[in-house]
Amino acid sequence: KQEVTQIPAALSVPEGENLVLNCSFTDSAIYNLQWFRQDPGKGLTSLLLIQSSQREQTSGRLNASLDKSSGRSTLYIAASQPGDSATYLCAVISNTGNQFYFGTGTSLTVIP
Amino acid sequence: NAGVTQTPKFQVLKTGQSMTLQCAQDMNHEYMSWYRQDPGMGLRLIHYSVGAGITDQGEVPNGYNVSRSTTEDFPLRLLSAAPSQTSVYFCATRRGIGNTIYFGEGSWLTVV
Repeated sequence: KQEVTQIPAALSVPEGENLVLNCSFTDSAIYNLQWFRQDPGKGLTSLLLIQSSQREQTSGRLNASLDKSSGRSTLYIAASQPGDSATYLCAVISNTGNQFYFGTGTSLTVIP
Repeated sequence: NAGVTQTPKFQVLKTGQSMTLQCAQDMNHEYMSWYRQDPGMGLRLIHYSVGAGITDQGEVPNGYNVSRSTTEDFPLRLLSAAPSQTSVYFCATRRGIGNTIYFGEGSWLTVV
């Protein structure tokens, strides 16, 4: 069974700092990987989707990388802002494309 | 464009009662799924559907039933509620394999 781990569970940084969130998974036979943001009391919002054949994907201040062979993905946030404060989750999609396996998330606080 | 709509947002049930969580989408997506989110455990897949008339079990299906009579709707039924089913439930949709997944706002369920 696919296991997805996100470390650290919580992170607090001053505004303006660049930061990296980590996601690791145990089975490299994946279809793709997706990063989400979750605000308190809300659903998940998709940030970036990386296909298994890709190495990275960028959207604005966000950059996600994927290394399938080592079972790792990172989400890089540049010039962090207080509005970036949220929980960030990664999900690995099985090679059938039908099942998502989620990590437990990293809670990010950006201090003004 | 409502996207993914879940009702109710909050519900308190007594042990043994039954209820239905509603999920409706207006994006004409084929894939719909139900997840539960519990502290420290991430999101876990309950049931999913790849199209009208087709459903399948996810990781934690026991105690739940689903049906998919239309593309738009995917209700989740709790047959006989138990305290272990206290959780936040999310409905999600996507167009097809490898596509971005969209989540509803969640339904908070407490079973006493």
